[in-house]
Parts: sequence; structure tokens; C-alpha cells
Amino acid sequence: GAGVSQSPSNKVTEKGKDVELRCDPISGHTALYWYRQSLGQGLEFLIYFQGNSAPDKSGLPSDRFSAERTGGSVSTLTIQRTQQEDSAVYLCASSLAQGAGEQYFGPGTRLTVT
Amino acid sequence: GNSVTQMEGPVTLSEEAFLTINCTYTATGYPSLFWYVQYPGEGLQLLLKATKADDKGSNKGFEATYRKETTSFHLEKGSVQVSDSAVYFCALSDNPGRRALTFGSGTRLQVQP
Repeated sequence: GAGVSQSPSNKVTEKGKDVELRCDPISGHTALYWYRQSLGQGLEFLIYFQGNSAPDKSGLPSDRFSAERTGGSVSTLTIQRTQQEDSAVYLCASSLAQGAGEQYFGPGTRLTVT
Repeated sequence: GNSVTQMEGPVTLSEEAFLTINCTYTATGYPSLFWYVQYPGEGLQLLLKATKADDKGSNKGFEATYRKETTSFHLEKGSVQVSDSAVYFCALSDNPGRRALTFGSGTRLQVQP
């Protein structure tokens, strides 16, 4: 079946602009995660959704970052007033609610803030 | 807090050599342990997992054994191929309610023909 998809695959934006990143999880996966992969910080957890609620937002680096999930499926990560340090690859993953926690990752969105 | 420590890379091996990538962890409770692989230009893929002490995860000739006494989950392969060249990430998930993965810094493997 289809895997996790993300769009856009690449995004270049000017400092100060807002961006939206989209994630379509695997059908039937109720858990959804956002991570960030950058050279200096490695792979960092951002936020976790179970259904449409986000019980864990502890990884969001600032209040410029927000995310929502609707219909228990698609999720959008929004970064307001982007800064150069936001440049990274943003990864989305999904998993079944039960089980050992194995997560299936999308190809990522490469964000470059100029 | 949770943490995962991997051996520094890059690791460069000749084809058919034996591979070990060390991984140790710190966690509360009883974590599940994972190895993910990222091939050039591709996304993260789950390679193998182990959910309790002494479990051995295996896939594509790779193996790792969950060692609670040494808090380790070292990745091994008896004979590497050029196609194994990739970045390997060790990770843990220790809270069923939270389930977010904590990753190591990754180890780049380069296999030469």
C-alpha cells in the first residue's frame, strides 16, 4: 500500500515568511509524528498526534511552530516568521496506535530559509 | 532523560568485511530499540527492532541483540555489500503513551568494492 507522503519535497523561502508543510500518513495509522533533521542537531522530535489531538508538543522549538491534524489523517506543520536556523529536513512518520512503536517515515520536506 | 549514543563515523569497509556499529542507550523503564537506515537520497527505513531484553532483531543479514545489562543494541552484519552504504541510526522508544523516538546521531557506512 501507499506509504507516508509529504509535500512539498523542497521549499525555499525568504526569512520572515510563513510556510506550511503537509503530511499524509499511512491509511489506518492513528499516530503521527513530526521530526526535524538538521546537520547540527541530528534527528529531533517535534510533536506527536494521536488521532486529532496532540498529547506531546514538547519538541516544538518555539511558538513560531504549530501543527494540526484533521480527520485523523492529514497533518500540517506551520512555521511562522521563518528564520535561517529553521532550515532543515522536516520528516513525518506514522504508526499504529498499538504495538512496539515502530514508525514509518515519509521522504521529508527540505526547507531552506534564505 | 533518554539518550542514544552511537559510534562516530564514517565507517569505511571493504566488501565482504564484518560490520559492527555500536549503540548504547540511557532510558527510564523498558524501551523498545530500533535500527533505522537512510540510503542516499531516500527516507528513513526501519531495519530491525527488539522490544525486550535478549530479543534479537534481524533483517537483510543485519542483526542486533537487546542487552539490558550493558544497555546496548549493537548492529552487526557478517559480510557487507556495496549496497549497504548508508547512514544507520539507532533509536529508542520508551513510553507507550508518548512513543516518540529518540535517535542517535547516525553512523555513515561506506562500503568499497
